[in-house]
Amino acid sequence: DSGVTQTPKHLITATGQRVTLRCSPRSGDLSVYWYQQSLDQGLQFLIQYYNGEERAKGNILERFSAQQFPDLHSELNLSSLELGDSALYFCASSVSLAGPNTGELFFGEGSRLTVL
Amino acid sequence: SQQGEEDPQALSIQEGENATMNCSYKTSINNLQWYRQNSGRGLVHLILIRSNEREKHSGRLRVTLDTSKKSSSLLITASRAADTASYFCATDRTGANSKLTFGKGITLSVRP
Repeated sequence: DSGVTQTPKHLITATGQRVTLRCSPRSGDLSVYWYQQSLDQGLQFLIQYYNGEERAKGNILERFSAQQFPDLHSELNLSSLELGDSALYFCASSVSLAGPNTGELFFGEGSRLTVL
Repeated sequence: SQQGEEDPQALSIQEGENATMNCSYKTSINNLQWYRQNSGRGLVHLILIRSNEREKHSGRLRVTLDTSKKSSSLLITASRAADTASYFCATDRTGANSKLTFGKGITLSVRP
């Protein structure tokens, strides 16, 4: 058990809909990362938050947004869903400050999103 | 784009044999990390090697890093069926503002 909790574990929805994925980091970790894993693209970095502030942005679509709340939990919002958004979405946390070094990440079990 | 490229893409060995997996990357790094993922589960950190280190050990794992060749290798000795999983290298690129970039992974099958 990594200590990172993600909900829901599975989600099935239709195209055009909006979903919210939730992540609670390990106790004491200030950094939260979101990754998308699909068969064709592999593990893609989406976005990172540190203590409530956005610190790094990756290949995150404009239809996607995220935030980190004062209690350090984070939410990833996916809207206007398309078939291609079907993937496993991982949250990870770490104690590391943003840059210059990224330390060990602790991953949750993921949220599997299926868009029909 | 993927920073780390693992090789081979798939590896099948007999229990008790050693498994060697390689990773190449393109730009300078602060550190390189290896992770393991069981099917459909979250990734688990195995080992981190800094850019000024050449070799590191952890139990049955041995990682090497050659920054001149921009490559790393992960050796699992005396493999077990329970080592069956996907293995990913991840690079912390210099100046990349604190994010890990993962390769596409290597699928390791250890036959009992």
